[in-house]
Amino acid sequence: AQSVTQLDSHVSVSEGTPVLLRCNYSSSYSPSLFWYVQHPNKGLQLLLKYTSAATLVKGINGFEAEFKKSETSFHLTKPSAHMSDAAEYFCVVSDRSGYSTLTFGKGTMLLVSP
Amino acid sequence: KAGVTQTPRYLIKTRGQQVTLSCSPISGHRSVSWYQQTPGQGLQFLFEYFSETQRNKGNFPGRFSGRQFSNSRSEMNVSTLELGDSALYLCASSLEPPSGGAGEQFFGPGTRLTVL
Repeated sequence: AQSVTQLDSHVSVSEGTPVLLRCNYSSSYSPSLFWYVQHPNKGLQLLLKYTSAATLVKGINGFEAEFKKSETSFHLTKPSAHMSDAAEYFCVVSDRSGYSTLTFGKGTMLLVSP
Repeated sequence: KAGVTQTPRYLIKTRGQQVTLSCSPISGHRSVSWYQQTPGQGLQFLFEYFSETQRNKGNFPGRFSGRQFSNSRSEMNVSTLELGDSALYLCASSLEPPSGGAGEQFFGPGTRLTVL
């Protein structure tokens, strides 16, 4: 069984300040972890993925995430927020049991103010 | 390369009717998954097809069904629609079969289904 907990339903930042979106996961197997972003009325876009290579993963648009097995966390960060980053972000886990089922967190809405 | 396409983009139905949604994966992708997105439940996995076979199914009633064709295009069907079926239905495709862990899934824009 696998599950994902996104610790904040909403995060508000000012433009130019750092972003931290928190995610904890649970998986019976060695997991693959992803962050997806969804802009209003758009589909989901992959930001980055962890699949057992480097624990610090760099993604698109300046985002990165660090896999910490001991803390079962996969937090998403960005040094400096941009207005265009305002969207909903989903932390996603998939175990390696042989199925590609993705289990999504409830999402974190990122609000960026000028 | 064209992305995942879903048709129709918007649909309005009444309770008791049935509906069919279509998904065309990225060329070369043979795995197609379906998800339901609602404000209350978030994103939930419906089912996944690979090479015309359903490989995995989420916890949804039998009114939800799907299939995949030889060209990898997929359809999902919901019979006897209920108000609670109103949702955004997302289709995703990926290159490799799921064995050995999930590859990246590419999502379509979704079909917004409203049940009145």
